[in-house]
Amino acid sequence: GQNIDQPTEMTATEGAIVQINCTYQTSGFNGLFWYQQHAGEAPTFLSYNVLDGLEEKGRFSSFLSRSKGYSYLLLKELQMKDSASYLCAVPSYNFNKFYFGSGTKLNVKP
Amino acid sequence: EAQVTQNPRYLITVTGKKLTVTCSQNMNHEYMSWYRQDPGLGLRQIYYSMNVEVTDKGDVPEGYKVSRKEKRNFPLILESPSPNQTSLYFCASSLSGTGAYEQYFGPGTRLTVT
Repeated sequence: GQNIDQPTEMTATEGAIVQINCTYQTSGFNGLFWYQQHAGEAPTFLSYNVLDGLEEKGRFSSFLSRSKGYSYLLLKELQMKDSASYLCAVPSYNFNKFYFGSGTKLNVKP
Repeated sequence: EAQVTQNPRYLITVTGKKLTVTCSQNMNHEYMSWYRQDPGLGLRQIYYSMNVEVTDKGDVPEGYKVSRKEKRNFPLILESPSPNQTSLYFCASSLSGTGAYEQYFGPGTRLTVT
């Protein structure tokens, strides 16, 4: 199986920048996904990284270091609507199975 | 509108009473999957299907069955539900199970087994 770790909860202020970390140990790495999940709703796709480095997508960026088994999601100019859980996930070597971290609940305060 | 639908959204049942949670997608996706979500444990994969008549176990398949007779539908069957199956269930689909495709999730089914 896979071992994926994320902080349980974080708090940040509206307008600020927050970094949500995810570390993983996998047998055969095939990239890493980030999903956003608002309370009581379904997860929705944010990003997928398979190569090292930072990928920017508007206010959200995702970083990957394969040598360190580490990824982070960077959220800039935080808005209240960014209050949600953020889930990282890694696929199996053949993309048949998916392993999710327990999620990081982000609270954005005014 | 492209979507994954699940029914019912909420269900309270008793131990041992067989139930089925339906899942349907209208995106012609090959890959479908079921997850359960429990506090502190995150999403755990129950079963997945690569295509019609092709299903396989995820990480937590005990107590569940699935079938994939049509491409759009992937029902989850609990033959004899037990209280430890009380959870939030999500169905998901993606274009294919052979590449890095995003998954589209249904709205979830909250199941309580007493």
